[in-house]
Amino acid sequence: GEDVEQSLFLSVREGDSSVINCTYTDSSSTYLYWYKQEPGAGLQLLTYIFSNMDMKQDQRLTVLLNKKDKHLSLRIADTQTGDSAIYFCAEGNQAGTALIFGKGTTLSVSS
Amino acid sequence: GAVVSQHPSRVICKSGTSVKIECRSLDFQATTMFWYRQFPKQSLMLMATSNEGSKATYEQGVEKDKFLINHASLTLSTLTVTSAHPEDSSFYICSASSAEETQYFGPGTRLLVL
Repeated sequence: GEDVEQSLFLSVREGDSSVINCTYTDSSSTYLYWYKQEPGAGLQLLTYIFSNMDMKQDQRLTVLLNKKDKHLSLRIADTQTGDSAIYFCAEGNQAGTALIFGKGTTLSVSS
Repeated sequence: GAVVSQHPSRVICKSGTSVKIECRSLDFQATTMFWYRQFPKQSLMLMATSNEGSKATYEQGVEKDKFLINHASLTLSTLTVTSAHPEDSSFYICSASSAEETQYFGPGTRLLVL
């Protein structure tokens, strides 16, 4: 079945850039998402990208998609301590369908 | 963005009792709502897909008689955990979407069964 893989941990220093990587297997994926989960909280949609795009930038966030390799990345520029959280990559076939999540990458930002 | 609420945010109950969790889309009509379960330090697992006015579709391994889902209107879906047991303790998160929108998640409900 479909699978989404992420590295489990990433540790960076405040002010550095963070890059969180994700790979997926479903070539029919139409939407790819990044969600942020802070301790004890639900999910916050950070950004999403359509499969016909290569890149999307939104303030400090840059999403890169390599559809050939089924590789998605999230770059956070000037990482802050408030960015410490779990980041989930998810894929979907179309708007309105269930998402398949990776296991999440725990980002730890030290000052 | 669209807002999805859940109530209650936290509930503690005794083993054997039933617990109802509500999921509401506050500013849009959700044709579809999803219920996910998240164990500590793990990813979200889809439990069921709920379409307004029809029976929910449950994922394999999810007991439909234990996790009752009702999607009575375009803005409300409920999940009832019947005869809850300690192993049902978890973080339950709903999401809602319309046909044109991406999914928006509720803040989650933490259930602790004693």
